[in-house]
Amino acid sequence: QSVLTQPPSASGTPGQRVTISCSGSSSNIGSNTVNWYQQLPRTAPKLLIYSNNQRPSGVPDRFSGSKSGTSASLAISGLQSEDEADYYCAAWDDSLNAWVFGGGTKLTVL
Amino acid sequence: QVQLVQSGDEVKKPGASVKVSCKASGYTFTNSGITWVRQAPGQGLEWMGWVSTHSGSTNYAQKVQGRVTMTTDTSTSTAYMELRSLRSDDTAVYYCARVLGGGDSALFDYWGQGTLVIVSS
Repeated sequence: QSVLTQPPSASGTPGQRVTISCSGSSSNIGSNTVNWYQQLPRTAPKLLIYSNNQRPSGVPDRFSGSKSGTSASLAISGLQSEDEADYYCAAWDDSLNAWVFGGGTKLTVL
Repeated sequence: QVQLVQSGDEVKKPGASVKVSCKASGYTFTNSGITWVRQAPGQGLEWMGWVSTHSGSTNYAQKVQGRVTMTTDTSTSTAYMELRSLRSDDTAVYYCARVLGGGDSALFDYWGQGTLVIVSS
């Protein structure tokens, strides 16, 4: 059971906008920033969003992040087939003194 | 360019130990910490711990505390993760990643390719 809660799956058709939620608590998302990682099939994770809503160089602006209270969201607009991957949220947990990940959301592009 | 290259896959028996290496290049090794994350087959990401390449200080996840040791060799820009008393549920792909920044706003910006560790009798 992951400390951060994500829906196990999400889907959309090309061109659509999809959002993936990440729910935590006051000891993690509620008091610290959230990062998002994308893991394409059979590859290592890649940093997608950091500090709630910042994109590393090279990440398309179709990807955006937000945070409110103890929840965060990742939005992908103009969905493309190459966006089919697993997405993980992560945050520092002050109570556990550890980084915690969400269980991951498998995005399918129909 | 920043690269983290990990050692090859391993097969170990229950109770044995494994030591995975992570060789960094393309940046000043001592400027960023190294974290280790593992992923069991078909499962999500699990944070294992972090090591400072500057001071050698560590912070381990409670689940592996007592069985894991993370170290670095600054002369070769290599980080190591040793896991002892292996069990079948330690079977996973182990990733190293560079830690950029510090504290609760740190992020893992570059990742190794992963090392598969299989624990089986």
